[in-house]
Amino acid sequence: GENVEQHPSTLSVQEGDSAVIKCTYSDSASNYFPWYKQELGKRPQLIIDIRSNVGEKKDQRIAVTLNKTAKHFSLHITETQPEDSAVYFCAASIDFGDDKIIFGKGTRLHILP
Amino acid sequence: GAGVSQSPSNKVTEKGKDVELRCDPISGHTALYWYRQRLGQGLEFLIYFQGNSAPDKSGLPSDRFSAERTGGSVSTLTIQRTQQEDSAVYLCASRPNFRGSHNEQFFGPGTRLTVL
Repeated sequence: GENVEQHPSTLSVQEGDSAVIKCTYSDSASNYFPWYKQELGKRPQLIIDIRSNVGEKKDQRIAVTLNKTAKHFSLHITETQPEDSAVYFCAASIDFGDDKIIFGKGTRLHILP
Repeated sequence: GAGVSQSPSNKVTEKGKDVELRCDPISGHTALYWYRQRLGQGLEFLIYFQGNSAPDKSGLPSDRFSAERTGGSVSTLTIQRTQQEDSAVYLCASRPNFRGSHNEQFFGPGTRLTVL
């Protein structure tokens, strides 16, 4: 089955700097890669996703890149702000397939003042 | 509209007791997932229902765990003979019919289970 590895487990960046979180996946059939943000005590919420027919996707300060050959994808947050502090989870699934979404173990992002 | 709801929000039980956790997905969502999240940890897949297909139970950690989804809507996760290591937040998520629609999972608020 699919296995998703996520790094780093914890990341601290100065406010205004960029943050990058990286994930790798094992199943070459996976073709849908969402990212979820979980604030303290709250439920995970989708922030951005990418499909395998696209190499990069941007939404304001957030971007995701995908390298299918290497089976890795990354989340980039630019101009970080205090409200970006949260746990971020990457995930992988086979869209239109078994549809089971497997998550990485999460990255705790701290934005330092 | 209403989101995914779960009940109870908190459950404290004694070791060895059985518990039932309920999930009400968003109306019309055909896919429903259960995850376990231990304190400070990631989202551990437990089970997945899609329409009338047989559920994918590959993530259930032991035969003490089971889940049902009645009428394609409400789901119940049952943990029998609870152990202290079962203490966690149990999250439910639903997803619309993936064919031709956005694939976002919508999570419920979770049930925090504490086994004494």
